[in-house]
Amino acid sequence: GNSVTQMEGPVTLSEEAFLTINCTYTATGYPSLFWYVQYPGEGLQLLLKATKADDKGSNKGFEATYRKETTSFHLEKGSVQVSDSAVYFCALTSLNSGYSTLTFGKGTMLLVSP
Amino acid sequence: DVKVTQSSRYLVKRTGEKVFLECVQDMDHENMFWYRQDPGLGLRLIYFSYDVKMKEKGDIPEGYSVSREKKERFSLILESASTNQTSMYLCASSLERGPGHREAFFGQGTRLTVV
Repeated sequence: GNSVTQMEGPVTLSEEAFLTINCTYTATGYPSLFWYVQYPGEGLQLLLKATKADDKGSNKGFEATYRKETTSFHLEKGSVQVSDSAVYFCALTSLNSGYSTLTFGKGTMLLVSP
Repeated sequence: DVKVTQSSRYLVKRTGEKVFLECVQDMDHENMFWYRQDPGLGLRLIYFSYDVKMKEKGDIPEGYSVSREKKERFSLILESASTNQTSMYLCASSLERGPGHREAFFGQGTRLTVV
């Protein structure tokens, strides 16, 4: 079946450091790929998405490129801030009984210190 | 903006109680979902619904049921709560087709503790 694998956390960085969170996937067909973010005590928010190969999603300084050849969707940010501390989830859509559902990775916690 | 509202942020229930978790969305989305979130396990799909009165099992439906009597409302029911159902429960909704298709919007979560 479909699956998403993320690097385990926590990832601990100093403010202004470069961030990469790795995500690889296994899927049949042509899934859409997503990064969601969860701030402490809150639900998930969509951070960015890409719907086809070579698409780049971007938002709030974060970027990820849909790489079909390596089945990857790594999240990057050039300069992190303390306010970026959160849990990040990589996800893909898959068909479940003919309808689209999201399959998530286990999440990667990011801790940014001043 | 899409709004998905879960009726409670925190709940404490006793073992054996029947528990209802309610979720309402205001954007006329066809699809609604219930996930549970546990440390080290990520989000796992319990049930989803693609239309009123329709439901499909997700990956971990055992011990749960759902109800969707109106398009905007999707309820998760724990028939007889057990301590292993202590978790964070997240509701989500999405369009089935058209612009924004497949993008899911989440509620703020309900942290349920069963004692």
